[in-house]
Amino acid sequence: AQSVTQLDSHVSVSEGTPVLLRCNYSSSYSPSLFWYVQHPNKGLQLLLKYTSAATLVKGINGFEAEFKKSETSFHLTKPSAHMSDAAEYFCVVSDLSGNQFYFGTGTSLTVIP
Amino acid sequence: DTAVSQTPKYLVTQMGNDKSIKCEQNLGHDTMYWYKQDSKKFLKIMFSYNNKELIINETVPNRFSPKSPDKAHLNLHINSLELGDSAVYFCASSQYRDRYNSPLHFGNGTRLTVT
Repeated sequence: AQSVTQLDSHVSVSEGTPVLLRCNYSSSYSPSLFWYVQHPNKGLQLLLKYTSAATLVKGINGFEAEFKKSETSFHLTKPSAHMSDAAEYFCVVSDLSGNQFYFGTGTSLTVIP
Repeated sequence: DTAVSQTPKYLVTQMGNDKSIKCEQNLGHDTMYWYKQDSKKFLKIMFSYNNKELIINETVPNRFSPKSPDKAHLNLHINSLELGDSAVYFCASSQYRDRYNSPLHFGNGTRLTVT
């Protein structure tokens, strides 16, 4: 069975400092992994995806994530937080059929000015 | 040129009423979904249709009935609304032919409040 665990329900960073949002996955095969961002009262927007190509994936708005099979992790990072990054972030894994997407419980990112 | 659009954005209604939420996508995708997001932001799959055929039907009360007239539309009808149905409902789409790589594309959600 596939699942994801987001290790932090809430992360606070100061503006201009690095962001690290942690995600571990469980999958019996090489998974597809995604990060989504949800701003208040908005839908979910795709930040980046990993689909067995390069293990370091670059996304929009300066975010990137590294797939580490040995650690079953797919952590999201950004070198310098911006106020507009304050949002809810979801790590998602897709099953082999691609029919089902398994969501983490989300990490709320607060950016302190 | 909205990719996945849902209507209405807000829906306030009383217990016992019947309501519908509509969803349309213009991405040419062949698979559509309904998700429910609760007050703790947890997202739960409800239904998925591929080319008008139901492929995912999670444990959802049968008061919820999806309808897909064509692959670009997926509507959600809810009968006899209950307080616990209050949530944000998201429509999403993806491309089944490239399903391993195709991410979900979401609408902006419908905030349902049952009083």
